[in-house]
Amino acid sequence: GAGVSQSPSNKVTEKGKDVELRCDPISGHTALYWYRQSLGQGLEFLIYFQGNSAPDKSGLPSDRFSAERTGGSVSTLTIQRTQQEDSAVYLCASARTPLAVTKNIQYFGAGTRLSVL
Amino acid sequence: AQTVTQSQPEMSVQEAETVTLSCTYDTSESDYYLFWYKQPPSRQMILVIRQEAYKQQNATENRFSVNFQKAAKSFSLKISDSQLGDAAMYFCAYRGSSGTYKYIFGTGTRLKVLA
Repeated sequence: GAGVSQSPSNKVTEKGKDVELRCDPISGHTALYWYRQSLGQGLEFLIYFQGNSAPDKSGLPSDRFSAERTGGSVSTLTIQRTQQEDSAVYLCASARTPLAVTKNIQYFGAGTRLSVL
Repeated sequence: AQTVTQSQPEMSVQEAETVTLSCTYDTSESDYYLFWYKQPPSRQMILVIRQEAYKQQNATENRFSVNFQKAAKSFSLKISDSQLGDAAMYFCAYRGSSGTYKYIFGTGTRLKVLA
């Protein structure tokens, strides 16, 4: 696609429910990143995919968070048993390849605003 | 671990004037990349400008320029001839030159442009 697409744009859920957030990267981009933006905070890294593999999951805050990527394209971030502290904007970014370092720029989607009541 | 600090939570500038947003960072790496991203209310992060640490020359993109001081680990953004459309959150970001190339972000500066 022309840009990184994320859905839904907004999600309201009840505490304890599971949610799935979707990211559709730019076509041909092999690298995909998830970040979380909490109120008053910068963006914090969650997980990185290269193709379908996730060599860096170091930012996932707990085992309630998981992500997968299929076909080297769409990625889904799943949060199980949501808590109020999970409320944030979840941003996805993609890059052509991390190997072309000088040209590696991350392009961001508009994010999913998650509100846990 | 690398850190990025933006010490100005909010800044205001008069339309057509110049404003400078500050960013400092900490790293032990010698080769890295620095970015300024703009986030308007639409939440879409837009790349404003980037700087390669190995380049001494400061990057410039139209009305946007940076003052990169490698020894001081400082990377400020100057916006000249400010326009109403420049109002947004601005994030400074660091990326290393190895590993996963994940970004380390500052907490952002909200820029208000006054008519």
